[in-house]
Amino acid sequence: EAEVAQSPRYKITEKSQAVAFWCDPISGHATLYWYRQILGQGPELLVQFQDESVVDDSQLPKDRFSAERLKGVDSTLKIQPAELGDSAMYLCASSQMVLASPGAGELFFGEGSRLTVL
Amino acid sequence: AQSVSQHNHHVILSEAASLELGCNYSYGGTVNLFWYVQYPGQHLQLLLKYFSGDPLVKGIKGFEAEFIKSKFSFNLRKPSVQWSDTAEYFCAVNPNNFNKFYFGSGTKLNVKP
Repeated sequence: EAEVAQSPRYKITEKSQAVAFWCDPISGHATLYWYRQILGQGPELLVQFQDESVVDDSQLPKDRFSAERLKGVDSTLKIQPAELGDSAMYLCASSQMVLASPGAGELFFGEGSRLTVL
Repeated sequence: AQSVSQHNHHVILSEAASLELGCNYSYGGTVNLFWYVQYPGQHLQLLLKYFSGDPLVKGIKGFEAEFIKSKFSFNLRKPSVQWSDTAEYFCAVNPNNFNKFYFGSGTKLNVKP
């Protein structure tokens, strides 16, 4: 079964350092999402891509967070500098909206990248 | 503000007990509705979904959910839970097919053997 790949699974860093997370969505999925999940809360959207274009980054703290999906396939989420409050699980998900396709209209999640900022 | 509400944050049941988890949303118009489950140490995975048609939808592992449009609700049910159902359950809404998904805060279910 096709999966969304994410790395690293775990990242421990000190505040003010830079961190980066990578995501490879399911092949053929045009829409890619980065979510942040703080312990005890549901996933919150950080950024959404349609192919290589950002369609929603309204909740992305742009002073320190950046995201790209240069070729419309895999994506990188970067935090620089990291702050204590950034400790969370960073989830990547992908979807396709082609009707009548298996799994159309639902989100497929990766394992997530757990960030701890010390 | 538009939102997805899950009122039960933590539920503890004994095996064979019945389960109902509440989900309410405040988005108007057409919505697609989902329940996702996250088992300990695993990624979020789809339990069931509603797009249209019969408001009672059946998912994997004996779960079902009922869409009640007038109540803006999509409650999850299972007649008899098992220890292996211990997990965190998230309700999600995709309003107006705009390719955006909004999640509730989740409900942790602990099933005692």
